[in-house]
Amino acid sequence: QQQVKQSPQSLIVQKGGISIINCAYENTAFDYFPWYQQFPGKGPALLIAIRPDVSEKKEGRFTISFNKSAKQFSLHIMDSQPGDSATYFCAAPAYSGAGSYQLTFGKGTKLSVIP
Amino acid sequence: NAGVTQTPKFRILKIGQSMTLQCTQDMNHNYMYWYRQDPGMGLKLIYYSVGAGITDKGEVPNGYNVSRSTTEDFPLRLELAAPSQTSVYFCASTSGLAGDADTQYFGPGTRLTVL
Repeated sequence: QQQVKQSPQSLIVQKGGISIINCAYENTAFDYFPWYQQFPGKGPALLIAIRPDVSEKKEGRFTISFNKSAKQFSLHIMDSQPGDSATYFCAAPAYSGAGSYQLTFGKGTKLSVIP
Repeated sequence: NAGVTQTPKFRILKIGQSMTLQCTQDMNHNYMYWYRQDPGMGLKLIYYSVGAGITDKGEVPNGYNVSRSTTEDFPLRLELAAPSQTSVYFCASTSGLAGDADTQYFGPGTRLTVL
């Protein structure tokens, strides 16, 4: 069973600061690592994903960095804003049999950005 | 498009009762999933389906059943509800066009309490 370890469990950052969330995986069926963002009372929504033939992907203030040899990937949020306050989940694909693959999610990081 | 819709939003059950959580998507997605989310535990896959008539177990299927008679609908059945099934349940879907490495679209969730 794929394990995805996410840290920290919670994070408090000042407005304008950098938020960093880390994930480590054991094995992966293929190289696809998404991050999902969840606001209170809502379902998760895809924030950004990397399919690593590259080691980094940037979309606006959000960047995924990927280290294949270390089996780690991280989410960086630059210039963090109060509106970024949410729970963030990383995920990695795991083989589930019969040619099918499912995402295994980390336990989540609750980010609070204070003014 | 409404995306993924779930009903009900909230429900309180007594131990031993049964109920069906409804999930409908209007994006013509082949892949559908049921997850449960417990505080600090991330998202755990209960069941998934890769198309009408095809379902399979995820990580935590005990106490649940599913069916997929149409592309649009993927109901989750709880038989003999237990307090351990108190959770928030999310339905998700994906087109599968990028294989299993594809964006999952989540519904708004059903908050279930078993007393």
